[in-house]
Amino acid sequence: RKEVEQDPGPFNVPEGATVAFNCTYSNSASQSFFWYRQDCRKEPKLLMSVYSSGNEDGRFTAQLNRASQYISLLIRDSKLSDSATYLCVVNMNTGFQKLVFGTGTRLLVSP
Amino acid sequence: SAVISQKPSRDICQRGTSLTIQCQVDSQVTMMFWYRQQPGQSLTLIATANQGSEATYESGFVIDKFPISRPNLTFSTLTVSNMSPEDSSIYLCSVSISTGGETQYFGPGTRLLVL
Repeated sequence: RKEVEQDPGPFNVPEGATVAFNCTYSNSASQSFFWYRQDCRKEPKLLMSVYSSGNEDGRFTAQLNRASQYISLLIRDSKLSDSATYLCVVNMNTGFQKLVFGTGTRLLVSP
Repeated sequence: SAVISQKPSRDICQRGTSLTIQCQVDSQVTMMFWYRQQPGQSLTLIATANQGSEATYESGFVIDKFPISRPNLTFSTLTVSNMSPEDSSIYLCSVSISTGGETQYFGPGTRLLVL
């Protein structure tokens, strides 16, 4: 089983749509979770951290379900500029920082 | 966050040669990391570079192939030694900023093509 698994997509949605991405992780001891965004031929950029209680940043909402070892990202009112690959990232908590990246979910928002 | 630069941004190299990639950050950071992103794949951690000690390598990566230097708290280098076409990849450095979490910020990457 992969340490971090994501549906690679692509998810094709129209502008204004709501889209959700899911991610599962294998290490139940993991403590920190993140969503990064990566545009084509660019470096990953932090989108948001994911907290146990769930957190929201504008149109983006992240949720964590520790019992199911499951993380989600919801994007409301999609914009063309949201088109990118979204990486689910887990800190494996091996005594020092070790981020493990999912393969990413590609989102294409069309007019 | 931090401003991170990498040199070179890209290079085309012949097999058997070596390339040293530089990573510079605009503030002092304790932990720097080197990742590889092969075409169509996600990021894989190569090693963690700590100032004043040897780098810590992940499984599948060895010091002879990927020697790392960390002479101070704002700079690190990664060398890709004795390159083969399989080393063609994007190499990214990242830094950890202590903001109460383990957030990492990435440099722009170095695109390497080995012929």
